[in-house]
Amino acid sequence: DTEVTQTPKHLVMGMTNKKSLKCEQHMGHRAMYWYKQKAKKPPELMFVYSYEKLSINESVPSRFSPECPNSSLLNLHLHALQPEDSALYLCASSQVIRQGAYEQYFGPGTRLTVT
Amino acid sequence: GNSVTQMEGPVTLSEEAFLTINCTYTATGYPSLFWYVQYPGEGLQLLLKATKADDKGSNKGFEATYRKETTSFHLEKGSVQVSDSAVYFCALRADSGYSTLTFGKGTMLLVSP
Repeated sequence: DTEVTQTPKHLVMGMTNKKSLKCEQHMGHRAMYWYKQKAKKPPELMFVYSYEKLSINESVPSRFSPECPNSSLLNLHLHALQPEDSALYLCASSQVIRQGAYEQYFGPGTRLTVT
Repeated sequence: GNSVTQMEGPVTLSEEAFLTINCTYTATGYPSLFWYVQYPGEGLQLLLKATKADDKGSNKGFEATYRKETTSFHLEKGSVQVSDSAVYFCALRADSGYSTLTFGKGTMLLVSP
């Protein structure tokens, strides 16, 4: 099973709302990632968790708050977003984060629209 | 730093045509190389990978060979189908430290019947 699941599939939120994106994998992977993808662009890395600890934060604004409650789950908490934050948010996982040919497996994404 | 350069699209082909999407990279050491495919409205799917020089990755009729001498990892398919229409991303992962994926800009492929 190489599946990464994400919920919800679509999300529309106002700039004053608080919402969360969820990601789950059951492949035993210990590295999990959040990416942001704008239309016609490659994914941009936001956060990386390794063994449930935040390893990389690519200077993401504090209105995005990641959380890794356990080795299978990854959340992205959203608060006071701006319209320019509208994008496809992708979750991914891999065996480890350090060197190696460990490919990342991506979920289907959450299409976020901020109004 | 690491970088990946892909040919700009869209690439438009008729069904059963031969496909080549060029990808070159800049990296130190011996990175691993990947091709991901993104169908409309979906996430990225790993298509194939290669981990060392002269390795050939293959899947679903697609192939790519890791050429260190030309720092290239071109994607090929002998006979494309309409269902292959998608965006293809070439990516590399460095071989040291906290290595994450570096993506190319993506190449859109449009296949007509």
